[in-house]
Amino acid sequence: EAGVAQSPRYKIIEKRQSVAFWCNPISGHATLYWYQQILGQGPKLLIQFQNNGVVDDSQLPKDRFSAERLKGVDSTLKIQPAKLEDSAVYLCASSIRPYEQYFGPGTRLTVT
Amino acid sequence: RKEVEQDPGPFNVPEGATVAFNCTYSNSASQSFFWYRQDCRKEPKLLMSVYSSGNEDGRFTAQLNRASQYISLLIRDSKLSDSATYLCVVIPVNYGQNFVFGPGTRLSVLP
Repeated sequence: EAGVAQSPRYKIIEKRQSVAFWCNPISGHATLYWYQQILGQGPKLLIQFQNNGVVDDSQLPKDRFSAERLKGVDSTLKIQPAKLEDSAVYLCASSIRPYEQYFGPGTRLTVT
Repeated sequence: RKEVEQDPGPFNVPEGATVAFNCTYSNSASQSFFWYRQDCRKEPKLLMSVYSSGNEDGRFTAQLNRASQYISLLIRDSKLSDSATYLCVVIPVNYGQNFVFGPGTRLSVLP
C-alpha cells in the first residue's frame, strides 16, 4: 500500500515570498491533516479535513496560511507571505480510523 | 502550563539498559493516549496505544495513571535501533479526534 506522498521535500525561500506544499493521502483515507513541526518541538495541528470539508482550522494562522482539499483527495497548503518563524517541517497525515494517523515524509521549509 | 509535557532529555543509555520516559497532560478529561516514534529527519510513526490497564508489546511497556495525569513508556533491553525521539500524544475530550503532541524525548542508545 502506497503511503502519504508530499512534495517538495525541501524548499528554501526568502521572507515575504509565497510557497505551496502538496499532499496526496493514502487511497481511501477520508481524513487529512496538516501539521507544523518546528525544530525541537512536537507536531502542531494546523488544519483537519474530512473529505473536502474543513473540520478544524483553529490553529491555522489565517492571515498568511491557507489550505484546500478539492475533490476530497489531494491537498495543498500555502503560505503567503512567509515569515522567518515559518521555518519548520510541514507534515501531512491521513487516516481512515480516528486514532490511527499515517504521516508523510514532510516538507522542510527554510525561510531566510 | 502546556497541554502535554515530556521529560526533556536527551537520554543517553548503553545497549541493554532499561529506560523510562514520562509524559504529563493537563486536561483531566483526556480520553486517548499514544506513543509515537520519530527517527531523525523522518515522519512520526505509531509505536503503541496506551490503555487504562497498561499494555506491553515485546520490550515496550506503556502505563497510564489517570489520577496523576501521566503516561509512561518503558523500554527494556535497549537496542541501537531504539535511538529516536519518542512523542507522547493525547486526545483531549473537547478536541474531537485531534492529536496534541508533546515536545518529544530524544533517546540515544550507545554501543
